[in-house]
Parts: sequence; C-alpha cells; structure tokens
Amino acid sequence: AQKITQTQPGMFVQEKEAVTLDCTYDTSDQSYGLFWYKQPSSGEMIFLIYQGSYDEQNATEGRYSLNFQKARKSANLVISASQLGDSAMYFCAMREANRDDKIIFGKGTRLHILP
Amino acid sequence: DAGITQSPRHKVTETGTPVTLRCHQTENHRYMYWYRQDPGHGLRLIHYSYGVKDTDKGEVSDGYSVSRSKTEDFLLTLESATSSQTSVYFCAISAGVVETQYFGPGTRLLVL
Repeated sequence: AQKITQTQPGMFVQEKEAVTLDCTYDTSDQSYGLFWYKQPSSGEMIFLIYQGSYDEQNATEGRYSLNFQKARKSANLVISASQLGDSAMYFCAMREANRDDKIIFGKGTRLHILP
Repeated sequence: DAGITQSPRHKVTETGTPVTLRCHQTENHRYMYWYRQDPGHGLRLIHYSYGVKDTDKGEVSDGYSVSRSKTEDFLLTLESATSSQTSVYFCAISAGVVETQYFGPGTRLLVL
C-alpha cells in the first residue's frame, strides 16, 4: 500500500490564484514528519516546508503553507498568489519515527501556472 | 546550500559495464542517501549511510552497492549496468533541527 498518495498528477492554475496540492499519508506511528519539495524543470530538488506530527499549528513559509489535518491524515500544500515560477513538480514526503531519517516520497503533482 | 556535489552530472555507458557515482558533502553530516527518480515513481531510496562504513539497503537496492570510507564521500556503484538502471540519481544528506533531507544536483545516467 502506498504510504504517500498524491492524487493529482497534473494541475493547471491561473497566475495569482491560490493553489492547493493534495497529499494523504498512511502511518501507524504517532511521531512523524511531513515534507514538501519542489522540482522545477531544471531538475533540482528544493525543500519547501515541514510539519511535525505534534505541531499544533500549520506550518508556513512565505507563500507556502501546509494544511495539516491529522485525523484525516492529510497534509496539503497551499501556495498563495501563484507565480509563473511556481510551475514545477511538487512532491509530498513523510518520515516515520526511528527509521534512520528515511523519507518516503509520493509520486508527485505537476503544477502549471498559466499567464 | 547544503554543500552537496555529485559527479559525474551526466554519464552514458553500455550494458554490462561498471559505473560509480560519487556524492561529496562539505559539512560533516552523518546521514547520506542515494535515490533514483523515474517517471511515475517519484524518488525511491536505493541505499543510505548512517556513518563511515555504516550502510543499509533501501527500497530498490538490487543491482547497487555503496561505500562510505570517509564522512564526506558516499559512492554508489552499479556493478554491471543494465538498461533498467537508466535514471536520474540523487544524493541527499539529512540536516537541521528536524533532519530535513537536502539534495545534490543529480546525475543523469543513460545505459545503452
């Protein structure tokens, strides 16, 4: 069974609109961490944002926020006021406790921002 | 910038030849990882290291071996390359308060 599910293989969004990228996860651990990464067409993997399972508030980093709904095992990435440079592949990932810091990645969502 | 470099950045090789990819870090991080990225699969862990000479297998380790004789270098070897190992290979380190993984620039490998 997939541990990280990203159900949107591709999305098209108009520039300046807000975007929500979906991510659901599966774990029986109480302690875990959730990550989002961005991969632009140039290929590098860029860390965006982190949410710990015990964090009570949703994580935010500039225009990025993580909508964390623990009971639903959901960790959606929200990008406010999208820009053309946000066009990229986005990966959700999870680290479970006591796993030598190993991270499991979802298959990604390709986001296209339209001018 | 987590100070991670990978070499070579691009390589074309023939089936059956050995290939070694190098990951080098400059900041003395304990954990290092090798992933491969293929369309439709995201990133999958090949091997990882939790210290000098301490390594373990990941999800897709068959056909790969690793070595870490120095903290700063983590080598990935394809003993006898196959076409199914054509992929983009990323090295990563684990750093920071929440042990975020930071990635190198990647190596694009084509096995003919």
